[in-house]
Amino acid sequence: NAGVTQTPKFRILKIGQSMTLQCTQDMNHNYMYWYRQDPGMGLKLIYYSVGAGITDKGEVPNGYNVSRSTTEDFPLRLELAAPSQTSVYFCASASSGRSTDTQYFGPGTRLTVL
Amino acid sequence: QKEVEQDPGPLSVPEGAIVSLNCTYSNSAFQYFMWYRQYSRKGPELLMYTYSSGNKEDGRFTAQVDKSSKYISLFIRDSQPSDSATYLCAMVDTGGFKTIFGAGTRLFVKA
Repeated sequence: NAGVTQTPKFRILKIGQSMTLQCTQDMNHNYMYWYRQDPGMGLKLIYYSVGAGITDKGEVPNGYNVSRSTTEDFPLRLELAAPSQTSVYFCASASSGRSTDTQYFGPGTRLTVL
Repeated sequence: QKEVEQDPGPLSVPEGAIVSLNCTYSNSAFQYFMWYRQYSRKGPELLMYTYSSGNKEDGRFTAQVDKSSKYISLFIRDSQPSDSATYLCAMVDTGGFKTIFGAGTRLFVKA
């Protein structure tokens, strides 16, 4: 049981490039989340999904897009990368959206935009 | 004003010390409180959670909530070098499911 896996671990992008951050979970969780973590700041929610085919914006969605075609996968797409998107990105999953359900986090993707 | 305030540290203590980590919050609707531990280059993992005011103990860890003061704490007894990590508080209000995270406090426990 691998839990939540993310690829790549590290990436350097040039301004204006695009990329997709991959996230996969093997716990059959309906809810999945993308967060970014910047130094001195808490985790900020970018997008979330309550099940395959259903996604919604979080607190900081600008510059990102997501899709959820399967229960297992929740990729995050960066179009036209900007230096402000330099951050550590975490994917998480939970069995439901109830506040009492534990969110399980992946190991993160460290992205630098130069 | 941030909804959740947490001193980023770093906090450095000798092995065996009692550690106190704290967060304050402004939204009185927060009803569910959590502490996550994040080791370097890893994702956060849930350490403890609590609903109500008062104390909750789990081994060397005690979570404390004071809703009247909008203040939560995590105490670590007999701290170990393996406790060296960043500790993030998090909270959820009764109406929604969005989790608000503190910035995290970096803790170093020296052997």
